[in-house]
Amino acid sequence: DVKVTQSSRYLVKRTGEKVFLECVQDMDHENMFWYRQDPGLGLRLIYFSYDVKMKEKGDIPEGYSVSREKKERFSLILESASTNQTSMYLCASSTGGDSYEQYFGPGTRLTVT
Amino acid sequence: DAKTTQPTSMDCAEGRAANLPCNHSTISGNEYVYWYRQIHSQGPQYIIHGLKNNETNEMASLIITEDRKSSTLILPHATLRDTAVYYCIVRVRVRNDMRFGAGTRLTVKP
Repeated sequence: DVKVTQSSRYLVKRTGEKVFLECVQDMDHENMFWYRQDPGLGLRLIYFSYDVKMKEKGDIPEGYSVSREKKERFSLILESASTNQTSMYLCASSTGGDSYEQYFGPGTRLTVT
Repeated sequence: DAKTTQPTSMDCAEGRAANLPCNHSTISGNEYVYWYRQIHSQGPQYIIHGLKNNETNEMASLIITEDRKSSTLILPHATLRDTAVYYCIVRVRVRNDMRFGAGTRLTVKP
């Protein structure tokens, strides 16, 4: 089975802190994604990567950056956390090319105080 | 990618068919319709996808109208475990990314 793991289920950080959210997949997938989910807004795409060291902005990249140094790992970075970044963060991966199925991790609920 | 419109919420009786509609009136010829669902406190899960023909798998059926401007996801015998948020997504198949909207919250009641 495809497994996508995220480093923490729950995280509490203070305003202004630098925050790292880690995602690892074990199926050699080319594509990896970061979403945030907020009540009433569904999932919104922050960034995605289709190859090592490659990244593309999603719909809401402001305030975030990403890093993909290895194929299996995709990190989301909040350079200076703010309270409006309190959210559920979901990571996903998929095979490259003509892929239709994304596999999601369990999510990290981040609270910024 | 074409925009989709789904009802905010729906109820369904256990054992009955759940029919979840999705409007995508601006869909273009090379865009597919995908359905995912998200059960509480889990990540979304792929259900089914299609281009223009009706599709069926072990989870659900997908009915796409002839003009492709709308579709319906059918869960033939809904169970309490089908209570979830269902997302209808339209995208060009060669794209890597997937855009989720707010979805439909389906509640299956005993």
